[in-house]
Amino acid sequence: GAVVSQHPSWVICKSGTSVKIECRSLDFQATTMFWYRQFPKQSLMLMATSNEGSKATYEQGVEKDKFLINHASLTLSTLTVTSAHPEDSSFYICSARWGRYYEQYFGPGTRLTVT
Amino acid sequence: QKEVEQDPGPLSVPEGAIVSLNCTYSNSAFQYFMWYRQYSRKGPELLMYTYSSGNKEDGRFTAQVDKSSKYISLFIRDSQPSDSATYLCATSNDYKLSFGAGTTVTVRA
Repeated sequence: GAVVSQHPSWVICKSGTSVKIECRSLDFQATTMFWYRQFPKQSLMLMATSNEGSKATYEQGVEKDKFLINHASLTLSTLTVTSAHPEDSSFYICSARWGRYYEQYFGPGTRLTVT
Repeated sequence: QKEVEQDPGPLSVPEGAIVSLNCTYSNSAFQYFMWYRQYSRKGPELLMYTYSSGNKEDGRFTAQVDKSSKYISLFIRDSQPSDSATYLCATSNDYKLSFGAGTTVTVRA
């Protein structure tokens, strides 16, 4: 149980375009979903937290107009990187939790390369 | 000061050895403690989850929490080459996790 999927697993886009990444909880209803960014050989950096039907809460320093998060349902959250630039190239990982449980279950990640 | 400190290693051990990993944390309010395993270019996988102080065992894995010293540990017995990965500790007192830097472990066949 507690499976989280992400799509796509890898995407290349041109500078200036937008990219959407989907995160789905497959076998549970996610109370909260999280989006992280990870640079090579570094730990996870929380970007934002989203609850179904509510606006996302962004961490300090994360541009909410650049990283649009939509938590449309209890099983789906999307991250859209708008007007992507090469410095946005990174590994983006989502996670989900449910109910009163504090542990988070992570998706397999999406590798974004902006050329 | 980071909320969670973890030695990034790398740590290299022969197959069959005991792997010992640890983290320290600064916030005494943390009550939930987790260990994640992350293979290269993959998302983290939850290995162990403990609440408050004590030990928890699951197969070859043992997690220990000592809240008095703000110290958490993970032990892997009879290590296998498939255990080669980065191990991240994480703590929480609410819905957000604070992660350590991750320790890269290599188990040599």
